[in-house]
Amino acid sequence: AQSVTQLGSHVSVSEGALVLLRCNYSSSVPPYLFWYVQYPNQGLQLLLKYTSAATLVKGINGFEAEFKKSETSFHLTKPSAHMSDAAEYFCAVTFRGTDKLIFGTGTRLQVFP
Amino acid sequence: KAGVTQTPRYLIKTRGQQVTLSCSPISGHRSVSWYQQTPGQGLQFLFEYFSETQRNKGNFPGRFSGRQFSNSRSEMNVSTLELGDSALYLCASSREPGIENEKLFFGSGTQLSVL
Repeated sequence: AQSVTQLGSHVSVSEGALVLLRCNYSSSVPPYLFWYVQYPNQGLQLLLKYTSAATLVKGINGFEAEFKKSETSFHLTKPSAHMSDAAEYFCAVTFRGTDKLIFGTGTRLQVFP
Repeated sequence: KAGVTQTPRYLIKTRGQQVTLSCSPISGHRSVSWYQQTPGQGLQFLFEYFSETQRNKGNFPGRFSGRQFSNSRSEMNVSTLELGDSALYLCASSREPGIENEKLFFGSGTQLSVL
């Protein structure tokens, strides 16, 4: 069975500060891991994904995530937060050959000026 | 290129009614999947279709059903609506199943309210 756990349903940072959103996964098969962002009244947009190539994955809008097998983690980071980063972020896991995503419960990021 | 189109955008129904939601994938995409998003349960997988065949199904009661047509458009149906079915229903499409190699594109969703 596969699952993801996102620690912290709400994260608040100041503009310009480091953003760190935590995700831990559980999977009995090699996982493929994703981070999605959702802005109000919109669908989900892919930020980045890990598919067993490089463990450090760079995504859109300056975000990156590192796959750490020993820690079963895939935390999302951004060196400097921008007001436009305020949104809900979802970590998700899947396995080979499917579009079925198992999502975490989401982390709402607030950015203060 | 048009994105994933979901209709209607908003829907209000009463308990016991049934509802049909529609999803038109991006042109050339043959894989469609559906998700339910609620504040309490988060995002949960409903179905996955490819070439008119259901490949995967989530843990939902039989009141939830879906289908895919030969033009890759998909519908999902919920019968005997319950208050707990109130949710944002999201559709996503990709060219082929297997998002390790493909990118999944999401629609803006249909917001269903059951009164």
